[in-house]
Amino acid sequence: GEDVEQSLFLSVREGDSSVINCTYTDSSSTYLYWYKQEPGAGLQLLTYIFSNMDMKQDQRLTVLLNKKDKHLSLRIADTQTGDSAIYFCAESIRSGGYNKLIFGAGTRLAVHP
Amino acid sequence: DGGITQSPKYLFRKEGQNVTLSCEQNLNHDAMYWYRQDPGQGLRLIYYSQIVNDFQKGDIAEGYSVSREKKESFPLTVTSAQKNPTAFYLCASSIGAGRDGQPQHFGDGTRLSIL
Repeated sequence: GEDVEQSLFLSVREGDSSVINCTYTDSSSTYLYWYKQEPGAGLQLLTYIFSNMDMKQDQRLTVLLNKKDKHLSLRIADTQTGDSAIYFCAESIRSGGYNKLIFGAGTRLAVHP
Repeated sequence: DGGITQSPKYLFRKEGQNVTLSCEQNLNHDAMYWYRQDPGQGLRLIYYSQIVNDFQKGDIAEGYSVSREKKESFPLTVTSAQKNPTAFYLCASSIGAGRDGQPQHFGDGTRLSIL
């Protein structure tokens, strides 16, 4: 089946690391994505990882993928107030001749002083 | 700058009225998508188009219609048959819907409310 799950809320102190977790069910996922949504705005692509990779690092962002457990995480180092937003995990699966994105419900990250 | 433009940002619909949401992209992308976002939920796919003059239903197409007469444009009409249209609508595009590893890029959305 197609399902992506995320915890709904995460609160961290400014300067700490944030870890947002995601689990998915479809083992045929090719790519997995992290998007950021600020209030009233669209989704901004943060990073993505190919399913045969274990880790990808991009500046303050680190993505870890455990394909066996179908678990994806996004670590934000030195979290800032500007990182406060909703973070969506999405998996790409092949469906009807095109690559369909299945989104989680989003994790709201609150950064406090 | 290249990007996806959605308009209007806010839209109000009266009972029994059809409304059309605009989506334009200048990224030269072949594929375009419409999603609906409800509070506390992920995005759900309404329609997608892989190429001009072709489009396919997504998971929640009932009460919606689209057209793709130009590569740059993919308007969404919310018809009176859509009984619960209040939501945030997001348009996206990608280089090609059938190509692996081509992420979707999103516009800033249109918030539709019922009067």
